[in-house]
Amino acid sequence: ELKVEQNPLFLSMQEGKNYTIYCNYSTTSDRLYWYRQDPGKSLESLFVLLSNGAVKQEGRLMASLDTKARLSTLHITAAVHDLSATYFCAVDMKGTDKLIFGTGTRLQVFP
Amino acid sequence: DAGITQSPRHKVTETGTPVTLRCHQTENHRYMYWYRQDPGHGLRLIHYSYGVKDTDKGEVSDGYSVSRSKTEDFLLTLESATSSQTSVYFCATSVAGTGADTQYFGPGTRLTVL
Repeated sequence: ELKVEQNPLFLSMQEGKNYTIYCNYSTTSDRLYWYRQDPGKSLESLFVLLSNGAVKQEGRLMASLDTKARLSTLHITAAVHDLSATYFCAVDMKGTDKLIFGTGTRLQVFP
Repeated sequence: DAGITQSPRHKVTETGTPVTLRCHQTENHRYMYWYRQDPGHGLRLIHYSYGVKDTDKGEVSDGYSVSRSKTEDFLLTLESATSSQTSVYFCATSVAGTGADTQYFGPGTRLTVL
């Protein structure tokens, strides 16, 4: 059974600081997705990582995938308040068309 | 954004009543998914469809059924709603399963079962 764990579950950080969210998963997979959810809203796609060593960046967010370690990271550089949201990783259950989601990391950025 | 709508957006119902939620898409995506979101659980897949009349179960399918008679519509039915089915339900679509394409999410339906 594929399990996906994110940590931390909650992150409060000051504007201008850097931090990393971790996504670990339990079985082999080559595809990992990151989503953002604002309170009371739907999910918005951030990154699609399709192979070992994949790195993608958008603004202050950078995501990477290490399939051998079964680990993805979402790195936040010089956080700003607008990044406050819940971030989910989701892993492709290999051989199926299903995604398994992590429980989410709630990020709060304060001045 | 993929054109995905969900109806109703909010519903309050009583235990034991049947409930149907509708997801409608205008993108002609082959795959459609129903998830539920609960605190501490992230999103969990209920059922999904990989084509008209082709559906399969997800992690938490007990108590739910689905139907897809047209590409654009995917219905989720709670045959006899229970309080444990109080949740926020999201529909999602994708072009081709879990490949290079991401999943696009609808706005969600908040369901309360009293």
